Amino acid sequence: DTGVSQDPRHKITKRGQNVTFRCDPISEHNRLYWYRQTLGQGPEFLTYFQNEAQLEKSRLLSDRFSAERPKGSFSTLEIQRTEQGDSAMYLCASSFQTGTGSTEAFFGQGTRLTVV
Amino acid sequence: AQSVAQPEDQVNVAEGNPLTVKCTYSVSGNPYLFWYVQYPNRGLQFLLKYITGDNLVKGSYGFEAEFNKSQTSFHLKKPSALVSDSALYFCAVRDSGDYKLSFGAGTTVTVRA
Repeated sequence: DTGVSQDPRHKITKRGQNVTFRCDPISEHNRLYWYRQTLGQGPEFLTYFQNEAQLEKSRLLSDRFSAERPKGSFSTLEIQRTEQGDSAMYLCASSFQTGTGSTEAFFGQGTRLTVV
Repeated sequence: AQSVAQPEDQVNVAEGNPLTVKCTYSVSGNPYLFWYVQYPNRGLQFLLKYITGDNLVKGSYGFEAEFNKSQTSFHLKKPSALVSDSALYFCAVRDSGDYKLSFGAGTTVTVRA
């Protein structure tokens, strides 16, 4: 499978625990994005990487959230001290930026987080 | 700022009938427009995009969309709907100078046999 891969697909955690999600983008893609989707809503932008550099973080991304993309390959999204409001689908996407434009974003299947 | 509106939460059609899912957008610059489809507990699957050129763009699974600059719309269409088209559809926009997408709230399409 050469698409965007996310792990785990589902995560149930107790409030206050830390969780980490992983995203493996399409191998040649230099841009990577994290979005969050809550029930009945469209995805909302969280953060963006160009290669290994994190270039933008949404105001939705509180201090409890951190994302990394070491070596410009896979990415991790960590949520510390989870709260019930963090329950959502976390989507990862990637695209390839050339000098003249960018491909569309390709999404992974998401990680569904439930905080109990 | 950029935003998308999908005015219909649900669209119900009979199999074989035409399907239209509406989308209007707002951007400060030139719009790049996208349609994605989402099946239950799955990620988003790309259907089609408008970047420049012909206002009518064709995509996967027989879907097409028409870009209308004066009405700031990008409606998704399919001439003959299938039961398997039942899913959640999202319209998205980004400014040509930006990289992040802004999504609408989604439209649930139900195609009855």
